[in-house]
Amino acid sequence: EIVLTQSPGALSLSPGQRAVLSCSASDIVSSSYLAWYQQKAGQAPRLLIYGALTRATGVPDRFSGSEYGPDFNLTISGLEPEDSAIYYCQHFINSVWTFGLGTKVEI
Amino acid sequence: QLQLQESGPGLVKPSETLSLTCTVSGGSIKSTRYYWAWIRQPPGKGLEWLGNIFYSGLVSYNPSLRSRLSMSVDPAKDQVSLKLSSVTAADTAVYFCASLDFTNYPFFDSWGQGTLVSVSS
Repeated sequence: EIVLTQSPGALSLSPGQRAVLSCSASDIVSSSYLAWYQQKAGQAPRLLIYGALTRATGVPDRFSGSEYGPDFNLTISGLEPEDSAIYYCQHFINSVWTFGLGTKVEI
Repeated sequence: QLQLQESGPGLVKPSETLSLTCTVSGGSIKSTRYYWAWIRQPPGKGLEWLGNIFYSGLVSYNPSLRSRLSMSVDPAKDQVSLKLSSVTAADTAVYFCASLDFTNYPFFDSWGQGTLVSVSS
């Protein structure tokens, strides 16, 4: 069974700093199905990145996705206060759309 | 720009059936670009995919819930429906409907605001 693990569970940073969020699969998975979402308190998730690398329409370019084998990163450069949220990765594993447990980012 | 809106009872008794409807606007539910998905989020917890349905009626369910789940689509009303039977307190969650775009890379791109369903007697 392939599992998605997000790390760290939470991080607290200052405005202007850079955040690197990790999403690791327990086995090699296709980057085509890897997406990142941002969820602010009381709101629905918002698509940020799809295909591991591509920003969704309207997403600021301070958000970027990358991949290293079974690991995927979401980097937020030049953090702004409105980036405080929980960030989820998502993949299609064993015919199930699977979300990681999330990384809480506090600015 | 697609807009999705969930509706249904906010309170369901244990052992009964939870029924929700998602109304799609700003586009057609018959679009071949999208599947229509249900995703839920228990209070303070992460996201769980329940299943998705194509306008033709083709469905995929999360195996962990398959025995209790049923989804249907009404193209004439641009609506997708969810039924979850034999609910327990563990089914208390915010239920979202979302569009699953399969054009190239798959992703959930438009989401409803979500509706909280509590299971309690």
